[in-house]
Amino acid sequence: GAVVSQHPSRVICKSGTSVKIECRSLDFQATTMFWYRQFPKKSLMLMATSNEGSKATYEQGVEKDKFLINHASLTLSTLTVTSAHPEDSSFYICSARGGASNQPQHFGDGTRLSIL
Amino acid sequence: DAKTTQPTSMDCAEGRAANLPCNHSTISGNEYVYWYRQIHSQGPQYIIHGLKNNETNEMASLIITEDRKSSTLILPHATLRDTAVYYCISATNTGNQFYFGTGTSLTVIP
Repeated sequence: GAVVSQHPSRVICKSGTSVKIECRSLDFQATTMFWYRQFPKKSLMLMATSNEGSKATYEQGVEKDKFLINHASLTLSTLTVTSAHPEDSSFYICSARGGASNQPQHFGDGTRLSIL
Repeated sequence: DAKTTQPTSMDCAEGRAANLPCNHSTISGNEYVYWYRQIHSQGPQYIIHGLKNNETNEMASLIITEDRKSSTLILPHATLRDTAVYYCISATNTGNQFYFGTGTSLTVIP
């Protein structure tokens, strides 16, 4: 149980394009989803917290107009990297948790984004 | 910022118990201790979590000190597939934001 699917697993695109990453909870309803990014040999850095049906809460230093987050249903959240540049290249990981208290987060397998 | 500290790296012989420590001296009363591990180029895998009582599941045991300022994750019989970076995180069970530290890189040696 508690499977989180992330798509695509890898994407390569040109500078200036926008890229959408999907995060789905396959076997539970995710009232809260989280987005992280991870640079090589570094730890995960929380970007934003997303509750279903409401606006995402972004961490300090994360541009909300650059990283658009939508959490329109209890099983799907999307992260759109707008007008991507090479410095946006990173490993993006989502996680989800159910509504009951004490539930841990369950992570997707990440999306490796490379901007040329 | 991360609220936990862990040793940067550890080695463990295959078949032996791996004991991974974590310091969370500023943990507050409503924060749980969560353990995850990450194998290269994958998302973190949930291992175990607890509040104040020791916990055990099919993967590991979690020992939390009485003052809750530190904990130890125990992998009872380490295998080569347990080689990974192990993260200890303290977070409330409501907001549940995870601020990852650097984790411990565990290498299981044949």
